[in-house]
Amino acid sequence: EIVLTQSPATLSLSPGERATLSCRASQSVSKSLVWYQQKPGQAPRLLIYDTSNRATGIPARFSGSGSGTDFTLTISSLEPEDFAVYYCQQRSNWPFTFGGGTKVEIK
Amino acid sequence: EMQLVESGGGLVQPGGSLRLSCAASGFTFSNCWMTWVRQAPGKGLELVATTNGDGGEKYYVDSVKGRFTISRDSAKDSLYLQMNSLRAEDTAVYYCASLGCNVWGQGTMVTVSS
Repeated sequence: EIVLTQSPATLSLSPGERATLSCRASQSVSKSLVWYQQKPGQAPRLLIYDTSNRATGIPARFSGSGSGTDFTLTISSLEPEDFAVYYCQQRSNWPFTFGGGTKVEIK
Repeated sequence: EMQLVESGGGLVQPGGSLRLSCAASGFTFSNCWMTWVRQAPGKGLELVATTNGDGGEKYYVDSVKGRFTISRDSAKDSLYLQMNSLRAEDTAVYYCASLGCNVWGQGTMVTVSS
């Protein structure tokens, strides 16, 4: 099973600041990595698929990069609605595991 | 509008059984792999089981193998999860989702407790 490690666990930032979230895989997942955003009481929302492609309706301030074992989600300038928990997921090998999440909170 | 609506959650005793249902609408159900994802209270996401468009392929996470069964009925555009021999650690919100078709339900809570 591929283990995904997300860091940091919590990111305390102010609106307007840049957020950089990391996801590291225990073995290569090629480019088969996605990012989700989840707010309390809601289902996850797909942000990025195949490492760097924004899902439909996702603002351009969200971007993804990486390959192999190291991936990054960047939010260029945080909006109030961006404070949430973010999960990466690999879709290279079954089971399609998730990382433990990064909580982006208001500083 | 693409939509998934789960039902069937509730409180069950350890060792008991529960069947979750998920009704799909607004998209071609038979074209999409379908998946159950769960989230224990205050915890992260775990993919539990997945099946392909015609139900002929099924995959399970190790912790539920032999206890849970995923199935689908294309005539009813519905997905199911039969959960047997339930344990306290199965307590979670269970989401029905199509990861490839990018649609999620709102989840149904399953609580395993005496």
